[in-house]
Amino acid sequence: QKEVEQDPGPLSVPEGAIVSLNCTYSNSAFQYFMWYRQYSRKGPELLMYTYSSGNKEDGRFTAQVDKSSKYISLFIRDSQPSDSATYLCAMSGGQGGSEKLVFGKGTKLTVNP
Amino acid sequence: EPEVTQTPSHQVTQMGQEVILRCVPISNHLYFYWYRQILGQKVEFLVSFYNNEISEKSEIFDDQFSVERPDGSNFTLKIRSTKLEDSAMYFCASRPGQGTDTQYFGPGTRLTVL
Repeated sequence: QKEVEQDPGPLSVPEGAIVSLNCTYSNSAFQYFMWYRQYSRKGPELLMYTYSSGNKEDGRFTAQVDKSSKYISLFIRDSQPSDSATYLCAMSGGQGGSEKLVFGKGTKLTVNP
Repeated sequence: EPEVTQTPSHQVTQMGQEVILRCVPISNHLYFYWYRQILGQKVEFLVSFYNNEISEKSEIFDDQFSVERPDGSNFTLKIRSTKLEDSAMYFCASRPGQGTDTQYFGPGTRLTVL
């Protein structure tokens, strides 16, 4: 089983839709969970950061972590064409408190006007 | 807003040549990282660096790779003898310090090995 799994999509939605992105993971030691946004041939840009289980909201974005199910989600409300990008989940805090980020493959999102 | 910068944005080299990729982390950050992303694949961890020494490295980071912080601002990745399979985007990242695992990424250097 891969350490972090993420459906690569692509995902295409109309403007204004609610978008749900998610990742599953196998390493129960992960403690820190992040979502990054990446535009083509650019660096990952941090969107959301969550420690352990729970929800976090920032504007139109909500991140959820369910450690019991080893499942994390990112919700985007009122999606905009400018949200079109690849969304990467990442996590850390694995073996021995490792700080390396382990990434999912990314989900490519297109929001159509 | 402070950001991580990387140079060059694109580097083309011949197989077997040495390359140095440069990064300027965010000022006052203490932890530094290199990742790479082969086209169409996941972002992969290479190495972490703290207090002028490597704190963790991946299996990818073999003897052909080295990192250095030659002064108070730059952080470099050297690849001694490049191979075709080293072609990838290389990202530098930095983190402030204790209390957060949040890493901030630079725009990347696209390395093409011919």
